[in-house]
Amino acid sequence: KAGVTQTPRYLIKTRGQQVTLSCSPISGHRSVSWYQQTPGQGLQFLFEYFSETQRNKGNFPGRFSGRQFSNSRSEMNVSTLELGDSALYLCASSLALGRGNTQYFGPGTRLTVL
Amino acid sequence: DAKTTQPNSMESNEEEPVHLPCNHSTISGTDYIHWYRQLPSQGPEYVIHGLTSNVNNRMASLAIAEDRKSSTLILHRATLRDAAVYYCIRIFGNEKLTFGTGTRLTIIP
Repeated sequence: KAGVTQTPRYLIKTRGQQVTLSCSPISGHRSVSWYQQTPGQGLQFLFEYFSETQRNKGNFPGRFSGRQFSNSRSEMNVSTLELGDSALYLCASSLALGRGNTQYFGPGTRLTVL
Repeated sequence: DAKTTQPNSMESNEEEPVHLPCNHSTISGTDYIHWYRQLPSQGPEYVIHGLTSNVNNRMASLAIAEDRKSSTLILHRATLRDAAVYYCIRIFGNEKLTFGTGTRLTIIP
């Protein structure tokens, strides 16, 4: 079974631009979560989607948004990019919501904002 | 804010067992303990999880204290490929993963 895939793997943008990242979960997985990883803040939860609905949200400004499609694929969007948005953005999928469900992570998208 | 406490770093010799500790003193009765690890330049990888009793899988064992306030991830025979940052995570309430700073494990050949 193919793992979680994320596109693009690397991205360079300038301040003020917007960016869209894509995540394809493992086949059959219906939950997709997004995380931001930076050297200073570590791994931080952005949001989680299940059945095309946002179920959980972390403490990030409204510039960060996401959506999930009927095939469980997900996108996240960051508008009006700031230098501090430079990070590794990770997507994870799981079969369902629930505390015991294992999350499977993709390789991440490395975003650099200049 | 519910958190776990782990040592910042540990070292172990290759082919020896490794015991990675984690404290979660405010854990509630229905909170799971999950362990993930992150190898260099990769996304986190699931290792093991448990609720109350000890758990084993092909990667590791998880020993959970009787009062559930601490747990230990056991790698039975460390290899160089086990060098990674190991995260102990308590999953509570709204079901999201909250990663701490983890333990950076160095394997000495």
